[in-house]
Amino acid sequence: GAVVSQHPSWVICKSGTSVKIECRSLDFQATTMFWYRQFPKQSLMLMATSNEGSKATYEQGVEKDKFLINHASLTLSTLTVTSAHPEDSSFYICSALGGRVNQPQHFGDGTRLSIL
Amino acid sequence: SQQGEEDPQALSIQEGENATMNCSYKTSINNLQWYRQNSGRGLVHLILIRSNEREKHSGRLRVTLDTSKKSSSLLITASRAADTASYFCATASKETSGSRLTFGEGTQLTVNP
Repeated sequence: GAVVSQHPSWVICKSGTSVKIECRSLDFQATTMFWYRQFPKQSLMLMATSNEGSKATYEQGVEKDKFLINHASLTLSTLTVTSAHPEDSSFYICSALGGRVNQPQHFGDGTRLSIL
Repeated sequence: SQQGEEDPQALSIQEGENATMNCSYKTSINNLQWYRQNSGRGLVHLILIRSNEREKHSGRLRVTLDTSKKSSSLLITASRAADTASYFCATASKETSGSRLTFGEGTQLTVNP
């Protein structure tokens, strides 16, 4: 089945640090990748949709200068949390989608981000 | 915002029993999907049911879809302790980008051995 690899799985860093999270589709070409944020015991909140070669589309309330998304190839998208602060601590999950309609998204294992 | 509502929010059963989770949504959809999430992990896709389908099976899983009521159910038969996880429904709306998913609030299932 389709595999999506997300790295790192866990990050602890000081306030003010920028953190980059990678999302790779290992065995298929992902025309679209999604970035979600999840708080404890809550559902997934879509942050942005990323299409290869074009600018990401951010959901309302998500700061694009805070959460930089780059989708440089059909197998890699990155999310950079710039100048992270404790309120940015969360579980970030990516997913990838191929080009066919009515197909499920394939999710990475998530990144636990803790800002001290 | 999340359009999906799931009930129950939490369900605790004994191994071998069946578990039923329900999901309601508000918009017209292309498809509805069910995912499982183990604690601290990503989501695993279980079943995708298209808007013109009414029922779908996969192993011990059975999903129904009633577009007139804008609702779906996930049935897990003969549950096992390993089925303990959070289960989310997600809809691909016709009104937005077809690939964008809106997730329900989830049901936390605990299967006691």
